[in-house]
Amino acid sequence: RKEVEQDPGPFNVPEGATVAFNCTYSNSASQSFFWYRQDCRKEPKLLMSVYSSGNEDGRFTAQLNRASQYISLLIRDSKLSDSATYLCAVNGRNKLVFGAGTILRVKS
Amino acid sequence: DVKVTQSSRYLVKRTGEKVFLECVQDMDHENMFWYRQDPGLGLRLIYFSYDVKMKEKGDIPEGYSVSREKKERFSLILESASTNQTSMYLCASSPPQGRFVGNTQYFGPGTRLTVL
Repeated sequence: RKEVEQDPGPFNVPEGATVAFNCTYSNSASQSFFWYRQDCRKEPKLLMSVYSSGNEDGRFTAQLNRASQYISLLIRDSKLSDSATYLCAVNGRNKLVFGAGTILRVKS
Repeated sequence: DVKVTQSSRYLVKRTGEKVFLECVQDMDHENMFWYRQDPGLGLRLIYFSYDVKMKEKGDIPEGYSVSREKKERFSLILESASTNQTSMYLCASSPPQGRFVGNTQYFGPGTRLTVL
């Protein structure tokens, strides 16, 4: 089993839709969780950290479910500019482990 | 803003050549990382360093070495490049947290290396 797993997608959604991605992790001792966004041929950029109580940043909501060992990212009112690959990251033993990413395509 | 820069955006080398990829960060971060990213495989950690002259192997260190002579600079070396090392190479740094490297990482723009 991979340390961090994501559905690769692609998720094809119309503008204005709500879309959610999950990311499962295997290390129950993990303490740090992040979502990164990566545009085509660019570097990953931090989108948001994921806190135990969940957190929201505008149209983006991140949540952590420790019991089931997954984190989620919800995007409301999708924009064309949200099209990207979304990577989750979870701390493993002395390193940050990244998922392979979920592709989101928002279409008009 | 954290700035991580990499020496080249695109690089083409021949099999057997020695290749140096340079990474510089300007935020006084202790931790620095080298990843490669391939379609379907995501980001794979090659090496990381949590202090000057310190280095630790990541998940795929074979065929690579690193150098950290100064805090702001972390170099990745391909001693004898091979075609299976054609990839996107990403450098990252993160704020100090001792040897625990679970903190936010900031990435450079990447170097797309092609080995012919």
